[in-house]
Amino acid sequence: QVQLVQSGAEVKKPGSSVKVSCKASGGTFSTHAIHWVRQAPGQGLEWIGRIIPMFDISRYAQSFQGRLTITTDKSTSSAYMELTNLRSDDTAVYYCARYSEVTGHDYWGQGTLVTVSS
Amino acid sequence: SYELTQPPSVSVSPGQTARITCSGDALPKQYAYWYQQRPGQAPVLVICKDSERPSGIPERFSGSSSGTTVTLTISGVQAEDEGDYYCQSADSSGTYVFGSGTKVTVL
Repeated sequence: QVQLVQSGAEVKKPGSSVKVSCKASGGTFSTHAIHWVRQAPGQGLEWIGRIIPMFDISRYAQSFQGRLTITTDKSTSSAYMELTNLRSDDTAVYYCARYSEVTGHDYWGQGTLVTVSS
Repeated sequence: SYELTQPPSVSVSPGQTARITCSGDALPKQYAYWYQQRPGQAPVLVICKDSERPSGIPERFSGSSSGTTVTLTISGVQAEDEGDYYCQSADSSGTYVFGSGTKVTVL
């Protein structure tokens, strides 16, 4: 059974950076993309970016260009999402999810709450 | 930027049918996916590639597509179906997008 386990909650100051990890188990890490989706309190789902581990090709939502970096470590089947220059409106639960066109986002991490507050 | 439009809410009595629409210009050329999200939980995939039901999803969930609109149908709604539902697709440039979400209330 595929599982995605994310790192724990973070509290950050405005202007700082956060790096969230997502460790995969139970499947073949390189065969699916890993997407990152966030959800601000009381709001809907927002796609922020993805990486294809087999080729280390990433793509980001336009509104995050220049602030977001998604990477992988294939030796540990882990993906990472780093967001810089944090603002209060970056406060959200950040999810990683496995994706393919055949299956959609079929497995999700448990979510990581990132709180940005002075 | 590309948008998917959903109704904010749908209310339905137990045993009746709920239909949730999702509209987007690229939907004739891109697959749509549907997710259920209960409070405090991660989303769960209920429909992929417009109309395919993943293993473990009850048969009462079905999806269809017509032109620029896709529809999630929940037949014989049960109390446990209450939650938020999101459609998701992509535009031609490979950017992914979620709809604004529809809150399903079982009366």
